[in-house]
Amino acid sequence: AQSVTQLGSHVSVSEGALVLLRCNYSSSVPPYLFWYVQYPNQGLQLLLKYTSAATLVKGINGFEAEFKKSETSFHLTKPSAHMSDAAEYFCAVSRNDYKLSFGAGTTVTVRA
Amino acid sequence: NAGVMQNPRHLVRRRGQEARLRCSPMKGHSHVYWYRQLPEEGLKFMVYLQKENIIDESGMPKERFSAEFPKEGPSILRIQQVVRGDSAAYFCASSPGDQSNEQFFGPGTRLTVL
Repeated sequence: AQSVTQLGSHVSVSEGALVLLRCNYSSSVPPYLFWYVQYPNQGLQLLLKYTSAATLVKGINGFEAEFKKSETSFHLTKPSAHMSDAAEYFCAVSRNDYKLSFGAGTTVTVRA
Repeated sequence: NAGVMQNPRHLVRRRGQEARLRCSPMKGHSHVYWYRQLPEEGLKFMVYLQKENIIDESGMPKERFSAEFPKEGPSILRIQQVVRGDSAAYFCASSPGDQSNEQFFGPGTRLTVL
């Protein structure tokens, strides 16, 4: 069975600062990897997806993530945080591209 | 193009009652997935359905839970004889079934069992 670990349930950053959200997965073969964002009272929205093409994946809203097989990691970054980035972020992994296994989520708050 | 619709958004039931959660996929999507999110946990896969077929129900509890996606109408997640441990947010997602298989999520139904 696959699992996803997100380090840090809460992250607080200043507006304009780097956002770094950590995600590690356990899988015997390279999986599909995803980052989703959830705003209050809304469904999850896909930020980006890794499917064994380029290891650096660019997503929406200025986010990107790098797949590192040697570290089994797929950390999410954004160079400069905006107030609108305050939300909950979920890392997810799939072997077959439909059964998603999610991490517990990281809540991001942005300080003015 | 409306997104994935779920209703009700909030549902309160007493122990022993039945809960019915509805999900209307995005237009043109024929694949539906249900996930459950318990407090302080990530979403957990429950079931994957295509029209009139259950493809994978490996995440569904063996008893009291059932799901369907009829030829016409929304997908239904049914929980019989609810218990307090069923209190959670239930999310539905849909996909078109093409190679991208990106899942589009609804806003969820928050079930509270008293």
